[in-house]
Amino acid sequence: GAVVSQHPSWVICKSGTSVKIECRSLDFQATTMFWYRQFPKQSLMLMATSNEGSKATYEQGVEKDKFLINHASLTLSTLTVTSAHPEDSSFYICSDLMWGAGNSPLHFGNGTRLTVT
Amino acid sequence: QKEVEQNSGPLSVPEGAIASLNCTYSDRGSQSFFWYRQYSGKSPELIMFIYSNGDKEDGRFTAQLNKASQYVSLLIRDSQPSDSATYLCAVGTGANSKLTFGKGITLSVRP
Repeated sequence: GAVVSQHPSWVICKSGTSVKIECRSLDFQATTMFWYRQFPKQSLMLMATSNEGSKATYEQGVEKDKFLINHASLTLSTLTVTSAHPEDSSFYICSDLMWGAGNSPLHFGNGTRLTVT
Repeated sequence: QKEVEQNSGPLSVPEGAIASLNCTYSDRGSQSFFWYRQYSGKSPELIMFIYSNGDKEDGRFTAQLNKASQYVSLLIRDSQPSDSATYLCAVGTGANSKLTFGKGITLSVRP
């Protein structure tokens, strides 16, 4: 099955700086990938759908100017948290989309633990 | 608003017992149903998926789907301490391929 590689696994940054998280699909060309955020003891909340070659689709309440998504190639989607603040500290996870299997994401990256000080 | 409820828990069972995890969903248009296991500090890993009413078995795991009652459950037979984790139920409508996750239920298997 497809494997999703996410990098970095953790990052600590100062308030006001930007952080880029990469998500790579290793086994197949992922035209669509998803970005989730998970706060402690909470469920995964979909932030946005990343579409190769076009603009990302953001969920209601997610600031598109703060969470920049780029999906320039079929194997790489990036999420940039701009001007990070302590409330952005969370666990960010990407996933792929496997067509032909109910068209639903089946594999997650290992996640990125972001801590903003 | 689409909701996925996992209300019972945390759940504690002795080693070797059957663990039963339940999940209900609000959107009758839901077409795909997933169970993920998440260890603390890790990302979720897919355990099972089911699309049709009835049971689907995979090793020690059985997923059960009842669309009329809008619930999906996961049975874990011969529970092992390594099964101790949080189990997330996820539901998709298929039309836009997005999944809605429940809050999860924490399972603890006592040796």
